Amino acid sequence: ELKVEQNPLFLSMQEGKNYTIYCNYSTTSDRLYWYRQDPGKSLESLFVLLSNGAVKQEGRLMASLDTKARLSTLHITAAVHDLSATYFCAVEPGTASKLTFGTGTRLQVTL
Amino acid sequence: GAVVSQHPSWVICKSGTSVKIECRSLDFQATTMFWYRQFPKQSLMLMATSNEGSKATYEQGVEKDKFLINHASLTLSTLTVTSAHPEDSSFYICSASPGGGWNTEAFFGQGTRLTVV
Repeated sequence: ELKVEQNPLFLSMQEGKNYTIYCNYSTTSDRLYWYRQDPGKSLESLFVLLSNGAVKQEGRLMASLDTKARLSTLHITAAVHDLSATYFCAVEPGTASKLTFGTGTRLQVTL
Repeated sequence: GAVVSQHPSWVICKSGTSVKIECRSLDFQATTMFWYRQFPKQSLMLMATSNEGSKATYEQGVEKDKFLINHASLTLSTLTVTSAHPEDSSFYICSASPGGGWNTEAFFGQGTRLTVV
């Protein structure tokens, strides 16, 4: 059974600080996704990582994938309050578009 | 990106009644759609895979007679929660991808908040 774990589960950080969220998964997969979820809302796609060594950046967020270590990271640079949300990674183990989600990381950026 | 629409966005129903949730792919055809459930402060859990023209595939622990899935066309899947109880209150989200192949990303509907009273 595929397991996807994120840490930390909750992160409170000050504006302007940097931090990294980690996503570990238990079986081989070459496709990993990062999503953002605001309270009461559905998922917003952030990144799609399709191969080992993939790195993608958008604004203050950067995601990377190491398929050999079965690890993805989401790095936050100089956090701002608008980044407060819950972030999920999701792994696609083989069947197209069937995702197993991580436990989620609730990010709170304080002034 | 492609658009997936869910309806309704929220619904309140009485215990014992049934509720239908629709998931539509607006600008593409989807032979496969997925239904997820999310309880408060938890992650998304896959409930079932909806297959156009055939029976849905349910994940372990999901009652197929309680959560009826119909995928009658290439753009519409419905999830019916039958004899709903308060413990079925949750956020239900569907997803679909164009073509369903290896290089296609899944797109999510806006979700349906179900409250059973």
